[in-house]
Amino acid sequence: DIQMTQSPSSLSASVGDRVTITCRASQSVTSYLNWFHQKPGKAPKLLIYAASSLQSGVPSRFTGSGSGTDFTLTISSLQPEDFATYYCQQSYSTPWTFGQGTKVEIK
Amino acid sequence: EVQLVESGGGLVQPGGSLRLSCAASGFTFSSYSMNWVRQAPGKGLEWVSYISSSSSIIYYADSVKGRFTISRDNAKNSLYLQMNSLRVEDTAVYHCARVVPAVTATDYWGQGTLVTVSS
Repeated sequence: DIQMTQSPSSLSASVGDRVTITCRASQSVTSYLNWFHQKPGKAPKLLIYAASSLQSGVPSRFTGSGSGTDFTLTISSLQPEDFATYYCQQSYSTPWTFGQGTKVEIK
Repeated sequence: EVQLVESGGGLVQPGGSLRLSCAASGFTFSSYSMNWVRQAPGKGLEWVSYISSSSSIIYYADSVKGRFTISRDNAKNSLYLQMNSLRVEDTAVYHCARVVPAVTATDYWGQGTLVTVSS
């Protein structure tokens, strides 16, 4: 199975901050890497697919980059609605695996 | 508007069975592959099973293989998960999710249905 490791596990940030979350795969997933965020009691929401493609309706302050084993999600200017838990997921091979999550909290 | 609505969750004893359903609307269900993904209380996301649009390709996580069966009825726009030999560790919210072709990302998710396995 491909292991996905996110860092950090949590972070505190202020509105307007630039935030970066990294995700590392235990082997290459080429560009089959997706990013989600999830708020308490809600379903996950797709933000970025295929490593760098912005899902329809997602604000442009979210960007994804990387390929192979190392990936990054950047939020250019954190907004109040962005406080949530973020997950990366590889869809290169089954079992599709998720990172452990990064909780973004208000400083 | 794409909608996915799960049902069928509840409290069941270890060793018991449940059948989850997912009602799809707002898109051509028969054209999309589907996933089941679960989340144990306070934990992260775990992919459970995948079924292709025609049911010709099916995958399972090792943790449920041999106990769970995914199926679909395209005429009824419905996805199912038959869960047998349930274990305490199967306790989770179960989400159905639509798979985007080619990139295999899940773009729409249902709110989920809670399965609690406890004696």
